[in-house]
Amino acid sequence: SQQGEEDPQALSIQEGENATMNCSYKTSINNLQWYRQNSGRGLVHLILIRSNEREKHSGRLRVTLDTSKKSSSLLITASRAADTASYFCATARTGGNAGGTSYGKLTFGQGTILTVHP
Amino acid sequence: NAGVTQTPKFQVLKTGQSMTLQCAQDMNHNSMYWYRQDPGMGLRLIYYSASEGTTDKGEVPNGYNVSRLNKREFSLRLESAAPSQTSVYFCASSEGGRPYGYTFGSGTRLTVV
Repeated sequence: SQQGEEDPQALSIQEGENATMNCSYKTSINNLQWYRQNSGRGLVHLILIRSNEREKHSGRLRVTLDTSKKSSSLLITASRAADTASYFCATARTGGNAGGTSYGKLTFGQGTILTVHP
Repeated sequence: NAGVTQTPKFQVLKTGQSMTLQCAQDMNHNSMYWYRQDPGMGLRLIYYSASEGTTDKGEVPNGYNVSRLNKREFSLRLESAAPSQTSVYFCASSEGGRPYGYTFGSGTRLTVV
């Protein structure tokens, strides 16, 4: 079963506009991460937000986390054609042993396909 | 700056054949993972290795086996391939033990006919 579910499934915008993607999850988490996947490539880690954080920034990326609603959002500002990709949220659950067995495992959502038109 | 290297990149198997997917990382990471990616399903965890010498099942382990050969290498074996195992397979690694992002390989596209 998928822990995270992204919304919308697909998003099409013009260059320069902002893109917002949402992620909902079901269980308590230690942290939530966002990844980007270009067509035919592996996933690239974008940003990690811990459960005790509410907002985090990295360049043009802004991530928010609301643990009471079990949801997160990824905002990409001033989008570029090169931002065209699939975006996935992934959650790491709380708990686990000292070796971090369950601590480190990530459960991925189904992704949002973002298309930025020049 | 190799990161995570997967081989092969593409493979076509006949039903019932076996094969091993290779993965190696050069970042001295403790934890390694195998995921499969199917359309509309996102990524699902097959097996993982929290540290050298340990392996554990993920969400969809049936039909697969793994070997953590050493700290660098983590292989995934299909003993008797089935069409349902047609997928893109990704290996990933992370430091483990604390919140940290994964580094992914570029994937192996496997087709079982």
